[in-house]
Amino acid sequence: AQTVTQSQPEMSVQEAETVTLSCTYDTSESDYYLFWYKQPPSRQMILVIRQEAYKQQNATENRFSVNFQKAAKSFSLKISDSQLGDAAMYFCAYRSRGGAQKLVFGQGTRLTINP
Amino acid sequence: EAEVAQSPRYKITEKSQAVAFWCDPISGHATLYWYRQILGQGPELLVQFQDESVVDDSQLPKDRFSAERLKGVDSTLKIQPAELGDSAMYLCASREGVSYEQYFGPGTRLTVT
Repeated sequence: AQTVTQSQPEMSVQEAETVTLSCTYDTSESDYYLFWYKQPPSRQMILVIRQEAYKQQNATENRFSVNFQKAAKSFSLKISDSQLGDAAMYFCAYRSRGGAQKLVFGQGTRLTINP
Repeated sequence: EAEVAQSPRYKITEKSQAVAFWCDPISGHATLYWYRQILGQGPELLVQFQDESVVDDSQLPKDRFSAERLKGVDSTLKIQPAELGDSAMYLCASREGVSYEQYFGPGTRLTVT
């Protein structure tokens, strides 16, 4: 079974600075997806960024980018120019490419932005 | 923009009572998921539907939990009887076809007293 581990329960960063959230995962599969989801307080979870395992190039979405290290099974999220609206719980998630395609989530990292 | 709808948003119930949650996925989304999120943890899949059929319910406590999606559109998750340990956020998500993205609803926060 696949597992996802986020070792940072809480992180904080100054507004406009850069922060990196860590995620490691365990799988025996070679083809899969990795995601970062954002869950703001009292609001629904939304997708921030995704990475397909067969792609070597790291995904980027505006201020959000990932560092995908397949051999190390590491998938970190970098947020540049942090904004107050980035404050939320961030979840790393794994999904098999085939099969039932359910998401397996990490425990989450609570990100605080200091003005 | 289309969203996944869930109701109620909050529910307080006493131990041993029955409780039900409703989810209406984005129109056209054939795949529907129910997740349970205990406070301070990541969501865990309870059940996955493809249209009206259950694809994965391996983590659903079937002695007290049931889920249905009779017409392949909206879905109901029921707990009977509720236990203190069932206090959590119950999230519904839906996905279109072979798309990678799951869209989440706002969730139902259940408190069992």
